[in-house]
Amino acid sequence: AQKVTQAQTEISVVEKEDVTLDCVYETRDTTYYLFWYKQPPSGELVFLIRRNSFDEQNEISGRYSWNFQKSTSSFNFTITASQVVDSAVYFCALSGRNRDDKIIFGKGTRLHILP
Amino acid sequence: NAGVTQTPKFRILKIGQSMTLQCTQDMNHNYMYWYRQDPGMGLKLIYYSVGAGITDKGEVPNGYNVSRSTTEDFPLRLELAAPSQTSVYFCASTHGNQPQHFGDGTRLSIL
Repeated sequence: AQKVTQAQTEISVVEKEDVTLDCVYETRDTTYYLFWYKQPPSGELVFLIRRNSFDEQNEISGRYSWNFQKSTSSFNFTITASQVVDSAVYFCALSGRNRDDKIIFGKGTRLHILP
Repeated sequence: NAGVTQTPKFRILKIGQSMTLQCTQDMNHNYMYWYRQDPGMGLKLIYYSVGAGITDKGEVPNGYNVSRSTTEDFPLRLELAAPSQTSVYFCASTHGNQPQHFGDGTRLSIL
């Protein structure tokens, strides 16, 4: 069975600090896809990144970076020099290789960036 | 390109009433999903569809029904509203395991 665990329910950091959101997944598939979504206070869900299981290169997009480690089944998300606008709930998600596979979401991590 | 459109955005129902949450996408996606998000919680899958005429239950289907007569539309019906169905409902669509496109959500209160 597939499972996504985001052990950090809520995190608070002061603006400009770096923060890492953890995501651990379980799957028996050898090919799978991992995602991160952001849900700001306004409520919409915003796609951030999709990663194929065969691509273990870390990815950086501005202040955002993602560390994918198959050895530990983790796909962690780091925000560098956090800003108040980063305050949101962040969801990690997993889907299998088949087109019919559903996307399984973690319970989310609520991030508070304090001014 | 509107993406995924959900209507209504807000609704208050009385216990026992019925209603249909509408979801339409204009991206020709085969896959569509309905989730509910309870306050402070993650997303729970209610129903999903892999194409017109095909629907299947998710994690929390009780109390809901869906239909998929066209590729574009995936309405969610509540037959007998209960307070436990107070939630925010999100519709999403995608091509297989591509990123899901989400609607803006429907905030539903059952009183």
